[in-house]
Amino acid sequence: RKEVEQDPGPFNVPEGATVAFNCTYSNSASQSFFWYRQDCRKEPKLLMSVYSSGNEDGRFTAQLNRASQYISLLIRDSKLSDSATYLCVLRTSYDKVIFGPGTSLSVIP
Amino acid sequence: DADVTQTPRNRITKTGKRIMLECSQTKGHDRMYWYRQDPGLGLRLIYYSFDVKDINKGEISDGYSVSRQAQAKFSLSLESAIPNQTALYFCATSDRTGGYEQYFGPGTRLTVT
Repeated sequence: RKEVEQDPGPFNVPEGATVAFNCTYSNSASQSFFWYRQDCRKEPKLLMSVYSSGNEDGRFTAQLNRASQYISLLIRDSKLSDSATYLCVLRTSYDKVIFGPGTSLSVIP
Repeated sequence: DADVTQTPRNRITKTGKRIMLECSQTKGHDRMYWYRQDPGLGLRLIYYSFDVKDINKGEISDGYSVSRQAQAKFSLSLESAIPNQTALYFCATSDRTGGYEQYFGPGTRLTVT
């Protein structure tokens, strides 16, 4: 089993839609969680950290469920500019950083 | 100017050649990483360094070597390039005070023919 698994995608959604991505992880020693965004042929960039209590940044909401070992990202009111690949990332207690394979999102006019 | 730079940005080389990819950062971070990205496989860690005297293998270090010449410089070498090393290579930096966020360079697209 891969250490981090994500919805395979691709997700094709109309503008204004709400879309949710899920990510599961197998390493129970994972300590920090993040969502990164990667545009085509560009470097990944941090979208948001994920906190145990859940957190929101504008149209983006991240949730963490440690008991079930999954993380989610919700995007409301999708924009064309949200089209990208979203990477689930975790850091373990021994400072190992693990990237998920990513989920591709295309927002369609 | 970019905080993390990589050279070259694109490189085509032949099987068996030695090639070096270079990474420099102006963020003052102590930790540096080299990843490769292949379609469908995501980012995979090749090597990482937590300071100048600390070098560690990642999950796919075979066929690669690294050198941490200074806090700001971390280079990746392919001693004898082979076609399955064709990939997009990223350098990244982080530090503990920054919450471990990783800052990536723009990537080097390497093709081995």
